[in-house]
Amino acid sequence: DQQVKQNSPSLSVQEGRISILNCDYTNSMFDYFLWYKKYPAEGPTFLISISSIKDKNEDGRFTVFLNKSAKHLSLHIVPSQPGDSAVYFCAASYYGWGAGSYQLTFGKGTKLSVIP
Amino acid sequence: ETGVTQTPRHLVMGMTNKKSLKCEQHLGHNAMYWYKQSAKKPLELMFVYNFKEQTENNSVPSRFSPECPNSSHLFLHLHTLQPEDSALYLCASSQPAPGTGMGRGEAFFGQGTRLTVV
Repeated sequence: DQQVKQNSPSLSVQEGRISILNCDYTNSMFDYFLWYKKYPAEGPTFLISISSIKDKNEDGRFTVFLNKSAKHLSLHIVPSQPGDSAVYFCAASYYGWGAGSYQLTFGKGTKLSVIP
Repeated sequence: ETGVTQTPRHLVMGMTNKKSLKCEQHLGHNAMYWYKQSAKKPLELMFVYNFKEQTENNSVPSRFSPECPNSSHLFLHLHTLQPEDSALYLCASSQPAPGTGMGRGEAFFGQGTRLTVV
């Protein structure tokens, strides 16, 4: 069963408007949430993250909101630019003591197209 | 350039071939990962190495054999693969630092190897 879900496989937004990408999770052990951006033929690159003790984190045009009670997070991009067109992956992590590292679980991704 | 380099970028192999994927990072990270991305599926964790020791095998078939000779290099040895193993294989590294709030899963990914099994 998918622990991290991105229910919208694609999203189209006009340049200059707000893009909102959504993500839901089921595992209460997750305590850190991340967004990755992926261009074709490249690996994912880290974009922004948020700890479970916060409900908002902002970095320039990108803001991530976390609603723990709803197990929901969202990424807002304002204003959207054509260069933002990419696949956005939501990820959640917790520290696996047995593994001795943070375990990342990814969603399937949402393809964002920003139309000029 | 993310600091994580994967070779080759593309690989086509037959089901009876043996090949290896290579990953190299010079970020000073202690944890390295292999991920698989199949079409229309989430990124799937395959293996985790922490300080050169394999700490997780996510129920991966034995036809995939990882090797981590040192904390900067990670290999994925492939043999007798199936066509359904065709996918993008991504290597990543991170610096786990529990309790500090640093490196909490911000993995740095390589560009991936696009594998096609024929």
